[in-house]
Amino acid sequence: KAGVTQTPRYLIKTRGQQVTLSCSPISGHRSVSWYQQTPGQGLQFLFEYFSETQRNKGNFPGRFSGRQFSNSRSEMNVSTLELGDSALYLCASSLGSLPVNFGQGTRLTVV
Amino acid sequence: EDQVTQSPEALRLQEGESSSLNCSYTVSGLRGLFWYRQDPGKGPEFLFTLYSAGEEKEKERLKATLTKKESFLHITAPKPEDSATYLCAVGDFGNEKLTFGTGTRLTIIP
Repeated sequence: KAGVTQTPRYLIKTRGQQVTLSCSPISGHRSVSWYQQTPGQGLQFLFEYFSETQRNKGNFPGRFSGRQFSNSRSEMNVSTLELGDSALYLCASSLGSLPVNFGQGTRLTVV
Repeated sequence: EDQVTQSPEALRLQEGESSSLNCSYTVSGLRGLFWYRQDPGKGPEFLFTLYSAGEEKEKERLKATLTKKESFLHITAPKPEDSATYLCAVGDFGNEKLTFGTGTRLTIIP
């Protein structure tokens, strides 16, 4: 069965722009979580969705937002990009509990 | 707030030289302790979940153990392909998130 799919794999954006990242969970999984990974901070929780509802949100500014669709696919958006937003963004899915299966990530570079 | 500390930050071993990685944690109510392996540029790959003190799980050359304050990932007779960053994370009751440690970068020298 197909794993968690994230698109695109790589992105280069300019400061001040916005970006949308996409995540398709494993078939049947209704929970999707997003994490940001940087060399200095490691993996940090962004938010988690279950059946289109955000159940939990991490300590990130309001520029970071997300949503989940009825087919469980999820998107996250970052507006007004800053250099510090450069990171690997990881999506994980699960049946309804803590995430086990991660995607390969989207590498975002802000220049 | 949940906290996870992994040590050492980096470890270099000769092929066949066994060792252990440490994960110390504080959590209000442990829902699960997770171990992942991550290769450069890739997402974390799930290895184990441990739920209660005294529990042990094994997979090939890896064995994870859990106490009330820490977990160990023992690697026996490692091979070069075991080289990766090993991440530890905890989940607690009441929220749907994992808190990660910063990882141990393991290098196995042929």
